[in-house]
Amino acid sequence: SQTIHQWPATLVQPVGSPLSLECTVEGTSNPNLYWYRQAAGRGLQLLFYSVGIGQISSEVPQNLSASRPQDRQFILSSKKLLLSDSGFYLCAWSEGQHHQPQHFGDGTRLSIL
Amino acid sequence: SQQGEEDPQALSIQEGENATMNCSYKTSINNLQWYRQNSGRGLVHLILIRSNEREKHSGRLRVTLDTSKKSSSLLITASRAADTASYFCATVSYSGAGSYQLTFGKGTKLSVIP
Repeated sequence: SQTIHQWPATLVQPVGSPLSLECTVEGTSNPNLYWYRQAAGRGLQLLFYSVGIGQISSEVPQNLSASRPQDRQFILSSKKLLLSDSGFYLCAWSEGQHHQPQHFGDGTRLSIL
Repeated sequence: SQQGEEDPQALSIQEGENATMNCSYKTSINNLQWYRQNSGRGLVHLILIRSNEREKHSGRLRVTLDTSKKSSSLLITASRAADTASYFCATVSYSGAGSYQLTFGKGTKLSVIP
C-alpha cells in the first residue's frame, strides 16, 4: 500500500533563516506531488505541484521554492523565511492526472518568530 | 482562486443526529471530492462523485451532486463523536491542454457532542 511521510511535524524558525521540508511517498511510481499551505481556519492554497522529476509548477509568487530530486521525493525550501511564511504545510500525492483523489501527509506546523 | 464554498462554516450537533454540509461552486466540473481533516492532521479523501453522477454512498456518508445548481451536499448519518473534524469539498475542473485543476473550499467545522 502507498504511504506518504512528511517531516518535521512542527518547526519553529527565526525570521531570515532557511527552510527545508521534506516529503516522500512509498508504494507508487511517478506520482503527482503537491505542496499546500493552510492558514488557520482556512482552506488549502496550492503552492507547487510536480508531475515528474525536475518538473515544478508554481501556483503563486512567493518566498518559497520546491524541488523534486527523485521520483518520490518532494522538498519545499526557502533561503530566508518571512513572518508571513508561518502556517500549516501539507504534502500530497495523486496518481496520474490532477482529477484523481489526493492523499495527504500529516503536515508540518511552521512558526516563524 | 476559491471554487467550492462550504456551508455552514461551523456545525454543532448531538451524537446520533444527522449532519448535512453543502458545497456550491461556480464553473463546470469534472468531479467533486469530499475530504475530512482532523485537527492538526492531513486531509483524508472520503468520496468522489463524477459530474454525470447524482448520488453516491459510502458507509454512513451520502453525497449528492446537482450540476444544474452547481451544488453538492455531504450527509453523515447517525453521527458519532469521532466524526468531529473539518470537512472540505474540492472541485476538479478542466484547465486546458489536457490538465485539470483541483480547488479546495474553506471547509465546514463539524462538532459532534457526545
